[in-house]
Amino acid sequence: DAKTTQPPSMDCAEGRAANLPCNHSTISGNEYVYWYRQIHSQGPQYIIHGLKNNETNEMASLIITEDRKSSTLILPHATLRDTAVYYCIVRVAGSARQLTFGSGTQLTVLP
Amino acid sequence: DTGVSQNPRHKITKRGQNVTFRCDPISEHNRLYWYRQTLGQGPEFLTYFQNEAQLEKSRLLSDRFSAERPKGSFSTLEIQRTEQGDSAMYLCASSLIGSETQYFGPGTRLLVL
Repeated sequence: DAKTTQPPSMDCAEGRAANLPCNHSTISGNEYVYWYRQIHSQGPQYIIHGLKNNETNEMASLIITEDRKSSTLILPHATLRDTAVYYCIVRVAGSARQLTFGSGTQLTVLP
Repeated sequence: DTGVSQNPRHKITKRGQNVTFRCDPISEHNRLYWYRQTLGQGPEFLTYFQNEAQLEKSRLLSDRFSAERPKGSFSTLEIQRTEQGDSAMYLCASSLIGSETQYFGPGTRLLVL
């Protein structure tokens, strides 16, 4: 699975949009981009995934660049409960393989 | 819709003791994964099952670690002769063949004294 690069930490004001970037310049054509988050002392929580089109669900939006070498997770109206470590993971579609977690981005939402 | 459950949530043991953790996946999920997470790090894969078959176990940290999923439903992870370095959060996840999105449980936090 392709390697990802994320900033170690970011801050965001409550109520504002949080934009979390991820670089995956070696991504292959059959690899999806997944986002998970982990709130302190809890298990990771699935957020969203996509291949090449932008995706939106009730939690977030995922914007993938046309060349697929980077993506951005957008939390449109961040709340204090969104404070967590956010992981960007690239993996082959339909793969039974394990998720490979990097260090992620610690997002802190400030009041 | 119940999620993945893990028991116990916390375990404190003395070095040299054996411990066993249980994971109950989401109903009808065929695949079940075990991960370990140490402080400040992302989860690290240990092993996974498809139904009752253990398809990958080379990442188990040593021969003191073993896992079972006898009837293709719940799974257990056992650590024999625990060491202080085994102190970590042990996470379980499950997925459905064809979907492959993994859903995680709350984890079992192990402290070895």
